[in-house]
Amino acid sequence: GAVVSQHPSWVICKSGTSVKIECRSLDFQATTMFWYRQFPKQSLMLMATSNEGSKATYEQGVEKDKFLINHASLTLSTLTVTSAHPEDSSFYICSAFTSGGSNEQFFGPGTRLTVL
Amino acid sequence: RKEVEQDPGPFNVPEGATVAFNCTYSNSASQSFFWYRQDCRKEPKLLMSVYSSGNEDGRFTAQLNRASQYISLLIRDSKLSDSATYLCVVNMEYNFNKFYFGSGTKLNVKP
Repeated sequence: GAVVSQHPSWVICKSGTSVKIECRSLDFQATTMFWYRQFPKQSLMLMATSNEGSKATYEQGVEKDKFLINHASLTLSTLTVTSAHPEDSSFYICSAFTSGGSNEQFFGPGTRLTVL
Repeated sequence: RKEVEQDPGPFNVPEGATVAFNCTYSNSASQSFFWYRQDCRKEPKLLMSVYSSGNEDGRFTAQLNRASQYISLLIRDSKLSDSATYLCVVNMEYNFNKFYFGSGTKLNVKP
């Protein structure tokens, strides 16, 4: 299957700082990228849907000014957690999707964020 | 009501057992259905898509019942390596290709 990378794989930061997470589709062009968050023992929660060249669509309850998403190309999307707080500590996973194919989404390996 | 609902389990079964999971979805306009597997602290990985006629991949069989709006996953001859959380995923293509995840069903296969 297609390969999606995420960087960094884990990050520890101080409260109040911002953290940028990159999601790249390595061998295909993704028309859409999704950003998810997963707290321990819970399922993936969709945060936002990102289409290349347009503004991201955020799910209800997700602050767009706190979670900045940039999707500058068909192979790269970034999520920036601004002014991170301990409650933002979570596992952030991106996935990439191309319409017209098998409708499968390919997941990145995830980024584990710990905010102290 | 959640878009996709699953029994969280855990299902504790011995090696060699047959185990089945069900998943119900609320929107009859749902188009595509998948089972993903997620290991602890890892990203989900596609196990299999679910087709209307049902499909089989080795020890795994998936079924779709549109009338009752549920999908199922059957695992035969369980292996220790099958221990994971199984996620039911539904795609509604009319809605920006949005995917809805169930909360997952945890399976523990014991020796």
